Amino acid sequence: DAGVIQSPRHEVTEMGQEVTLRCKPISGHDYLFWYRQTMMRGLELLIYFNNNVPIDDSGMPEDRFSAKMPNASFSTLKIQPSEPRDSAVYFCASSYGRNTEAFFGQGTRLTVV
Amino acid sequence: QQPVQSPQAVILREGEDAVINCSSSKALYSVHWYRQKHGEAPVFLMILLKGGEQKGHDKISASFNEKKQQSSLYLTASQLSYSGTYFCGTVGSSNTGKLIFGQGTTLQVKP
Repeated sequence: DAGVIQSPRHEVTEMGQEVTLRCKPISGHDYLFWYRQTMMRGLELLIYFNNNVPIDDSGMPEDRFSAKMPNASFSTLKIQPSEPRDSAVYFCASSYGRNTEAFFGQGTRLTVV
Repeated sequence: QQPVQSPQAVILREGEDAVINCSSSKALYSVHWYRQKHGEAPVFLMILLKGGEQKGHDKISASFNEKKQQSSLYLTASQLSYSGTYFCGTVGSSNTGKLIFGQGTTLQVKP
């Protein structure tokens, strides 16, 4: 398996624009996590899914953020409208079951100017 | 609520030992340890389930004190390759699978 695949790897956008981050988890994994990494806050959990169903989105900063998982092999994280403070590295991770190794994608570095 | 790691940063010489601590204000089901190299994704090291077990591979080991809601990562005879940021992740006692991470501990090993 190619591992967790995220796209794009880098995104530079202007404030106010919509940004969509994409993630393809490892085939057969039933948990999918979205994290945001900044120097100040480390790795923050934004939302996680189990069997394509969102279980906990309490980490989503505000209504500008939304995430979907339409099927077992694809998830998106959307920010609309984007703001400079959203600049960070966004990681997607997947795992098979609870309390097992989570495999991280290479991340998307988002810069909002 | 994020677990709290200490120290925030450590600088070592090759061959020295280090301990990284992780503590939670809530009851835990499991503790997970990851290492992240600069510009890369976090990579799994180990998981400890409640029961106070200790795990390890090579010269990196960890313990989990369920009653104190604390875990420690032990790096023995550190190598240059150990440099990076270490994250502890926790799953609460309800075991929903929600994995949250601490802020990380940056470890630098010098020759």
